[in-house]
Amino acid sequence: DSGVTQTPKHLITATGQRVTLRCSPRSGDLSVYWYQQSLDQGLQFLIQYYNGEERAKGNILERFSAQQFPDLHSELNLSSLELGDSALYFCASSADWTEQETQYFGPGTRLLVL
Amino acid sequence: QQQVKQSPQSLIVQKGGISIINCAYENTAFDYFPWYQQFPGKGPALLIAIRPDVSEKKEGRFTISFNKSAKQFSLHIMDSQPGDSATYFCAASSPSYNQGGKLIFGQGTELSVKP
Repeated sequence: DSGVTQTPKHLITATGQRVTLRCSPRSGDLSVYWYQQSLDQGLQFLIQYYNGEERAKGNILERFSAQQFPDLHSELNLSSLELGDSALYFCASSADWTEQETQYFGPGTRLLVL
Repeated sequence: QQQVKQSPQSLIVQKGGISIINCAYENTAFDYFPWYQQFPGKGPALLIAIRPDVSEKKEGRFTISFNKSAKQFSLHIMDSQPGDSATYFCAASSPSYNQGGKLIFGQGTELSVKP
């Protein structure tokens, strides 16, 4: 158990809808990362927050947004969902914001868009 | 230039054998190279990591070999066990001052160790 929690575990929704994925980092970790894992694209970095502020951005679609709250939990919002958004979404956390900090991954949220 | 290419896609090894997974990169700014292990239904977990100022790092049965001039690095699993059966991802990241902690992952290698 990494200490990172993600809810929900599974999510089934329809095209055009909006969903929110939630992540609680390990106790004491200030950095939160979001990754998307799909069969064709592999594990792709979406975005990183550090202590409430955006720190790095990957190829995150404009339909997707994220934020980190004062209690350090993070939410990833996916809107105008398309079939291609079906994937596993992982949250990871680390103590600090640098690249050499170990990132601890949560169990993921499996999103299925029908 | 941000890609990390990983091979093979899948690997079958007999128990006790050596598993070798290779990765190559183009971006010479990468300065941190971790390997992650992922079991079905779980998130990836850090296995071992290396910086480019060393050519090899060993932790138990797991060794990373790093060739800076060739821009390649590999994971060797000695005495492979059925419990090592998982998907392995290499990754790379650039100095955090302009990239944060973002990891670029390879496509993954599905390892199966036969008893």
